[in-house]
Formats: sequence, C-alpha cells, structure tokens
Amino acid sequence: RKEVEQDPGPFNVPEGATVAFNCTYSNSASQSFFWYRQDCRKEPKLLMSVYSSGNEDGRFTAQLNRASQYISLLIRDSKLSDSATYLCVVNIYTGRRALTFGSGTRLQVQP
Amino acid sequence: DTGVSQDPRHKITKRGQNVTFRCDPISEHNRLYWYRQTLGQGPEFLTYFQNEAQLEKSRLLSDRFSAERPKGSFSTLEIQRTEQGDSAMYLCASSSGPGQGAGDTQYFGPGTRLTVL
Repeated sequence: RKEVEQDPGPFNVPEGATVAFNCTYSNSASQSFFWYRQDCRKEPKLLMSVYSSGNEDGRFTAQLNRASQYISLLIRDSKLSDSATYLCVVNIYTGRRALTFGSGTRLQVQP
Repeated sequence: DTGVSQDPRHKITKRGQNVTFRCDPISEHNRLYWYRQTLGQGPEFLTYFQNEAQLEKSRLLSDRFSAERPKGSFSTLEIQRTEQGDSAMYLCASSSGPGQGAGDTQYFGPGTRLTVL
C-alpha cells in the first residue's frame, strides 16, 4: 500500500465548476500536510499547507481529518489556469524531514 | 531570481557514463533536499542535508549515487555508471525551518531532466 494515495483522475470540469480532490495517508504519525501544484514538465509549487482546523485561501479550501487519515482540497469557481496536477504531500516527521508525495490528481478545466 | 536553481536543466547520456548535477538553494536556506520524479508519479525523496551534514538517505539512493554539500551552500548529486532506469527528473528543494519542529515549507527548483540512452 502506498503511503499517500490519490485518485489520478483526470478530472475534466467546465469553467466555474467546483471540484474536490481527496487523499488518504497511511502513517498515523504524519504531522504536516500540504497540497502542491505541478504544471506539465515544471517543478512542484506549494499551493497551501493543511491545518487541523481547515484553512481557506481564496477559491481553495483544504481540510484534514486525522481520525480518518484523510485530506481534501476543494476548488471553487474553477479557472482554465487551474489545470494542473495536484499533489497531496505528507511529512511523516519522526526525526525525518523528507516529504512523501502522492502520485497526483490531474485536473483539466475546460472552456 | 532568488529561487532554487539547478544545472543543467537537461542531460542526455549514454548508459555507463557518470553524470553530475548541481543545485543552488535559496540563499541562507540551511536545508537542502534531492528528489527524483518519474512520469506519472510524485517526487520520491533521495537525500537531505542540514548545512553540510547529510542527515537522511533513502533506500532509493543506491551506491551508484552520491550527494555532497561541501560548504553548506550548493549541492551536487552524482550518478555513476548510469542505467536506463535512472532516467527521471531530479529535483532539488530547500527550506529554512523552525529549528527542530515538524516539516517546514520546501521550495523546489526547476529540476534536471536526465535521459539515459
């Protein structure tokens, strides 16, 4: 079983739609959680950190459920520029600093 | 540009050759990471430096791979006797975290795309 699992998609949605991605992680010792965005053939870029209380940044909302070991990302009012791969990322910090990435969920927003 | 930089951006080599990649982290970031990413997968951790000390190594880092950060600034990743399976994007990231706390934000460079023929 992978440490971080995501639905690979692709999710094809029209502009203006709301889309949600989910991610599960296997290690209950995980302490930090992130969503990164990666455009085709580019480096991953931090989209947002995910906090236990949930957090929002403009059209993006992230939620964390530690009991179910589940992270979500909600994108409202999708834009064409949101088309990318969204990587769910976990830091299993028990003296380790390495990030563990999911394989990513691909989003294609269509006009 | 004050972000993480990597050189070269692309490298094509023949099987059996040695290659070396360089990473320059964000200025004053004391933590530096190497990851490898293959098509359709997320990045996989290879190794981590805090200043010049190599503190973590993944089991993915076979004995053909070696990384250094001699002065605690830039880092090099060398692959000896390259194999076709080494073809991937090699990503470097840096961070400057809150001491011994949990994971801090890692900023990635543009990567070096290696193709082994």
